[in-house]
Amino acid sequence: GAVVSQHPSRVICKSGTSVKIECRSLDFQATTMFWYRQFPKQSLMLMATSNEGSKATYEQGVEKDKFLINHASLTLSTLTVTSAHPEDSSFYICSAGGDRRAGNTIYFGEGSWLTVV
Amino acid sequence: AQSVTQPDIHITVSEGASLELRCNYSYGATPYLFWYVQSPGQGLQLLLKYFSGDTLVQGIKGFEAEFKRSQSSFNLRKPSVHWSDAAEYFCAVGPYNQGGKLIFGQGTELSVKP
Repeated sequence: GAVVSQHPSRVICKSGTSVKIECRSLDFQATTMFWYRQFPKQSLMLMATSNEGSKATYEQGVEKDKFLINHASLTLSTLTVTSAHPEDSSFYICSAGGDRRAGNTIYFGEGSWLTVV
Repeated sequence: AQSVTQPDIHITVSEGASLELRCNYSYGATPYLFWYVQSPGQGLQLLLKYFSGDTLVQGIKGFEAEFKRSQSSFNLRKPSVHWSDAAEYFCAVGPYNQGGKLIFGQGTELSVKP
């Protein structure tokens, strides 16, 4: 069935560096993907909507220059955390689907643990 | 404002006992409702979803949920809990057929006593 895959599942980076997380839809085309962040013991908060071929739409309070989103193809969206700091350490998870392309089913990636040291 | 409320942050039940996790939502349009489960350090697994039709929805692992429009609720139930059900449970709401932009509740952590 349709699957959304994230990579890497875990990443450790040094403070001040940038790290990229990929989100791929494997069996369907996704013009829209969504990026969520989850701090430990908390709920998922939508960060941004990734739009294929156009700029991402960010939720209030999310810094677009810090969390760069690129949706260059119908199967791939990337989230780049720039100049990462320890407070950016979190679980990042993407989703795609929910429309007719994906049979009205929403699929979540496996998530990516980011630790900034 | 659109929101999802899970009133219970933490619930403990005995193995074999019945379970009900509460979820209330506020949503302007016709809601597309979900229950997800998350084990520690893991991603989300869909338990069930509802858009229309029979208001009692059957999901995986023996879970079911009932949509009550008059109460804006979508409570999750299981008649007999297993130790492996211990996890975090999230209720979510979103627009149907318009992509997966979901609003999540705060989550309910389920502990199971032997």
